[in-house]
Order: sequence, then C-alpha cells, then structure tokens
Amino acid sequence: QKEVEQNSGPLSVPEGAIASLNCTYSDRGSQSFFWYRQYSGKSPELIMSIYSNGDKEDGRFTAQLNKASQYVSLLIRDSQPSDSATYLCAATALYSSASKIIFGSGTRLSIRP
Amino acid sequence: DAGVTQSPTHLIKTRGQQVTLRCSPKSGHDTVSWYQQALGQGPQFIFQYYEEEERQRGNFPDRFSGHQFPNYSSELNVNALLLGDSALYLCASSGGASGGIPYNEQFFGPGTRLTVL
Repeated sequence: QKEVEQNSGPLSVPEGAIASLNCTYSDRGSQSFFWYRQYSGKSPELIMSIYSNGDKEDGRFTAQLNKASQYVSLLIRDSQPSDSATYLCAATALYSSASKIIFGSGTRLSIRP
Repeated sequence: DAGVTQSPTHLIKTRGQQVTLRCSPKSGHDTVSWYQQALGQGPQFIFQYYEEEERQRGNFPDRFSGHQFPNYSSELNVNALLLGDSALYLCASSGGASGGIPYNEQFFGPGTRLTVL
C-alpha cells in the first residue's frame, strides 16, 4: 500500500478556474505536509507546507488539511497556463529536520486556454 | 542567497560502473537528503545526512552510499550500476536556524540525470 496517494491525472482545468488537487496518506503519525510543483524536466519546487488542521492560504494557493480523514488538498485559484505542471503531495512524521519525506506519484495538471 | 547546487547535471555510465554525485546545501542548512526519481514517479527517499552521519535510510541496497563533509556538502555514490539505476537524482537540504522557517521544509537542487547503458 502506497503511503501517499494521488490521482495521476491529467487534470484539465480552464484558465481562470479553480484547480483542486487531492491527496490521502496512510500513516496517522504524519505531522507535516507539503505540496511541491514540478515542471517537466525540472526538480520539485516547494509551494506550500501545512502542519495544522484547516486552511492555509498563500496568494492564489490554499492548502487544506484534515488529519481525521487523512486528507490533504491544494486549491489553485485563477489558474494560469504557467500552473501546468505535476503537483507532488508529500508527508513526514516529524517537525524536525530528521524527517524523511514520503512523496506521492504526483498529479499532472493542465490549464487549457 | 545560494540555493542547493548539484553536479554534474547529466551523466552517462555503463552497467557495472560506479558514479559519484555531489550536492551543496542551501546557505544555513545542515541536513542533506538524497532522492531517486524515476520517470513518472514521485521522488523516493534514499538516505539523509546530518552532522556527517547517515541519520535515516530508505529501501535502497548497500550499493548506494553517501558521505557528508564538515561544510555540510554531500556525495552520493552508487556502485555496480544497473540499468534500473537510470533516474533523476535529487538532493534536498533542510535544517538550521532559518528565521522561523520550519526545520523540516526541504528544498531541492536541480538534480543529476543519470543514464545507465
């Protein structure tokens, strides 16, 4: 059983709409959660981290965490063509730097004009 | 502020050979983690170094080894290369006292693309 699960997509969203990306995790001990964006041929770029239940907003991005349901999501408002990328959900059990991060396989997002 | 750097960018080796990849962490970071990313997959954790010691290890064989130097830079060594070792190898740094940024946020370097023929 994969520890972090994501729908591989592709998820196609019209420009200007809200893109909703979802992720579930199996380890109830997970404490910290991350969303990375990865453009084709490039390395992952950290865009959001979330540690507490609820919503966390940063610009057009909102991360949502529900530990009871073991569910993490990322909303992208006013989607732009530059948002087309693979989005990786990741989880770790610790708050400290001694934490291996477990990644999902990623969801490919395509923003259509 | 220098980010995470890795070298080389690309590498082509043949089966059975050995390879060394290098990583310099982001300024202020003291922890280096290595990941392997196959095409279409998420990064898979190989191991993590802190204070020049391997602190955690993922499910990778002993052919994968590493080192961390006193300046926090790190090397990943892979012996007896197999075709299946072809992947993007990513280094991520974290830790240190970064003005309130959580210690466990990891920032990736550009990666080294290894091709084994």
